[in-house]
Amino acid sequence: KAGVTQTPRYLIKTRGQQVTLSCSPISGHRSVSWYQQTPGQGLQFLFEYFSETQRNKGNFPGRFSGRQFSNSRSEMNVSTLELGDSALYLCASSLYLGQGGNTIYFGEGSWLTVV
Amino acid sequence: AQSVTQPDIHITVSEGASLELRCNYSYGATPYLFWYVQSPGQGLQLLLKYFSGDTLVQGIKGFEAEFKRSQSSFNLRKPSVHWSDAAEYFCAVWILTGGGNKLTFGTGTQLKVEL
Repeated sequence: KAGVTQTPRYLIKTRGQQVTLSCSPISGHRSVSWYQQTPGQGLQFLFEYFSETQRNKGNFPGRFSGRQFSNSRSEMNVSTLELGDSALYLCASSLYLGQGGNTIYFGEGSWLTVV
Repeated sequence: AQSVTQPDIHITVSEGASLELRCNYSYGATPYLFWYVQSPGQGLQLLLKYFSGDTLVQGIKGFEAEFKRSQSSFNLRKPSVHWSDAAEYFCAVWILTGGGNKLTFGTGTQLKVEL
């Protein structure tokens, strides 16, 4: 059974550009969430999607957005990139939404460097 | 507000020695707790989880953790550390918010193993 797959693994962007990251959850999982990891702020929750609807959102500016498709695959987009957006972006998938005892699995992440 | 504290930023142990990584949480409801491990340049791998029942849970790679409600702790242990265990370890609590899944992470403990 394939795990959570994220693409691309590494990318370099210039300030002001925009970027789109992709995530394919574990087969059968319908919940996809995104986290940002930086040395200074640690692991922070960005947002969660379930059945193509955003269910939960963290404290990030509107430049960060996402969506989920009918096959549960998800994309996140960051517009007008800033140097501080350089981070590891992790995607996580789980079977259920809002249910205790819901195991959450992570992908390998997408390393974004903004120059 | 919910939070997770990992008091030890860095820990160094000798190969073959025992290990205990500390985790304390603050959450009003029944906690669902996780330990993840992250090797350099990699994503998060689930080591173990506690949802309910037996307070001593077994995970992969010989790790175990004990949930102690009275101490709000979920410490990770391993009786004999291997050099390959060198990595960063994250404790997380699952939060029910907005009907979704959200993990709140500790700041991580970096484990170094001396040969």
